[in-house]
Amino acid sequence: NAGVTQTPKFQVLKTGQSMTLQCAQDMNHEYMSWYRQDPGMGLRLIHYSVGAGITDQGEVPNGYNVSRSTTEDFPLRLLSAAPSQTSVYFCASSQGQGLGKLFFGSGTQLSVL
Amino acid sequence: GQQLNQSPQSMFIQEGEDVSMNCTSSSIFNTWLWYKQDPGEGPVLLIALYKAGELTSNGRLTAQFGITRKDSFLNISASIPSDVGIYFCAVQLGNTGFQKLVFGTGTRLLVSP
Repeated sequence: NAGVTQTPKFQVLKTGQSMTLQCAQDMNHEYMSWYRQDPGMGLRLIHYSVGAGITDQGEVPNGYNVSRSTTEDFPLRLLSAAPSQTSVYFCASSQGQGLGKLFFGSGTQLSVL
Repeated sequence: GQQLNQSPQSMFIQEGEDVSMNCTSSSIFNTWLWYKQDPGEGPVLLIALYKAGELTSNGRLTAQFGITRKDSFLNISASIPSDVGIYFCAVQLGNTGFQKLVFGTGTRLLVSP
């Protein structure tokens, strides 16, 4: 009963490095999204996808890329990491008519030095 | 972007006490949601509210959708140590399609045994 699985759990990068945060869900959900959580700021939407091959920007998309080649996977790419991207990243999935019910992964804590 | 104001920012209470927290906005929304985040985990949906004035319970938790559609309240009765965590309110932007959620800044709850 995996739900939404995120890897890695922790990551440290140097400024300028690139990396991909992985997210997979086994609930056959149409919608997937990435949020970042910073102290005192709640969760903010980075990118989202309404189905395979369809992605769009959220509130804070700069510096991140996404793609959705399958229903199950929704990786988040940091092209050139910056200290401002130090954060906890959460992937979420939901059904098409889930009425606000998002299923979140357990998060990736990223530090950019 | 949209802003949700949650108060209080944090609470430190004794086990058995009741807790109240609220969330306000300057805009009207048709869906109000309450999520809880346990330490080291992603948020989990507690209660969803879809109608102004609606009062909904989930065990010891009760939430209300404000009649003005600009606020919501969450009450926890007879708190226990496992209630520790961060409580987020969230609203849904739009009524159909992808559920683009905006989250409040959270209320951190600590419960002393």
